[in-house]
Amino acid sequence: QQQVKQSPQSLIVQKGGISIINCAYENTAFDYFPWYQQFPGKGPALLIAIRPDVSEKKEGRFTISFNKSAKQFSLHIMDSQPGDSATYFCAASMLSGGYQKVTFGTGTKLQVIP
Amino acid sequence: EAQVTQNPRYLITVTGKKLTVTCSQNMNHEYMSWYRQDPGLGLRQIYYSMNVEVTDKGDVPEGYKVSRKEKRNFPLILESPSPNQTSLYFCASSSDLDQTDEQYFGPGTRLTVT
Repeated sequence: QQQVKQSPQSLIVQKGGISIINCAYENTAFDYFPWYQQFPGKGPALLIAIRPDVSEKKEGRFTISFNKSAKQFSLHIMDSQPGDSATYFCAASMLSGGYQKVTFGTGTKLQVIP
Repeated sequence: EAQVTQNPRYLITVTGKKLTVTCSQNMNHEYMSWYRQDPGLGLRQIYYSMNVEVTDKGDVPEGYKVSRKEKRNFPLILESPSPNQTSLYFCASSSDLDQTDEQYFGPGTRLTVT
């Protein structure tokens, strides 16, 4: 059962453009929504995260927009750069049996072309 | 340097030959997890551990075993590997003390079972 749906699967953006990746979740018990960035040959690393009590969080060129009523959240990368080329995973977590269980989306491979 | 290490990084084996992938973290984290990453499926949790001697199944535990005898180590054991376990494996750790729920991932182990 896919509890976190992510789209698109792949994305090609021109340098300087805006990259947008969307995710939707089903379980309203989720209370933490991180985005992870993964470069080839590396493990995922936390990029930015949001809790459902805010609608937007910005860190540099990266912004999470969160719509609690629609159960959707998205990552916006402004002024995309070739160095942003990576795979991005959205995730949602909730406390389950004393453990913060994380469910990942299927990933979006972003390519930023010069 | 705070890190999660995995060994080996690459492994080619044959069906039925028992293998162990080691994972170690130096951050004194309570929580550790194993994930497998497959194209189009994202990261799926295999097993997790909340502390020493406390382990539990994730979403795809069939064919795997784990143990947590020491806080820093969390090996993944495949007693009789099969070709459908060919995948990219990640170990991760996290703490419940920093309020961010961030998971720190190892560099990955690429396993091929022929």
